[in-house]
Amino acid sequence: KQEVTQIPAALSVPEGENLVLNCSFTDSAIYNLQWFRQDPGKGLTSLLLIQSSQREQTSGRLNASLDKSSGRSTLYIAASQPGDSATYLCAVKSSGYALNFGKGTSLLVTP
Amino acid sequence: NAGVTQTPKFQVLKTGQSMTLQCAQDMNHNSMYWYRQDPGMGLRLIYYSASEGTTDKGEVPNGYNVSRLNKREFSLRLESAAPSQTSVYFCASSVERGSSYNEQFFGPGTRLTVL
Repeated sequence: KQEVTQIPAALSVPEGENLVLNCSFTDSAIYNLQWFRQDPGKGLTSLLLIQSSQREQTSGRLNASLDKSSGRSTLYIAASQPGDSATYLCAVKSSGYALNFGKGTSLLVTP
Repeated sequence: NAGVTQTPKFQVLKTGQSMTLQCAQDMNHNSMYWYRQDPGMGLRLIYYSASEGTTDKGEVPNGYNVSRLNKREFSLRLESAAPSQTSVYFCASSVERGSSYNEQFFGPGTRLTVL
């Protein structure tokens, strides 16, 4: 069964810092990997999707990379802002229907 | 474009009561999903529907039934609620392009408490 791990579980940084969130998965036979943002008490917002044939995707201040062979993905957030405070979830699409989710990294950006 | 909508937002049930969670999407997606989110467990798939009239069990289907009424709507029913079903329920739909592109979009969730 695909296992997805996110490290760290929680992170606090001052505003303006660049930061990296990590995601690892046990089975490299994936179709794609998706990063989500979840605000407290809210649903999931899709941030980036990387297909298995791609190495990275960018959207504004966000950059996600994928190293399928080593089972790793990183989400890079440039020039962090207090509005970036949320939980970030990594999810992998392997065989079957479901996304396999990590437990998330809770990010706090302090002014 | 409302995306994925869910009703109700909150619900409190007593053990043994039944209820239906409603979900609708206006993105013309074929696939729809029901997940539950529990602290320390992450999100887990309950049921999946690839198209109108088809449904498949996910990782945690026991105690639930689903109905794909049409392309837009996918409902989740709890026939006899149990405290173990206290959770946040998310509906999702996905756009698929070939085998390597499956982007899922989520609704705002239903927070269910079973006493």
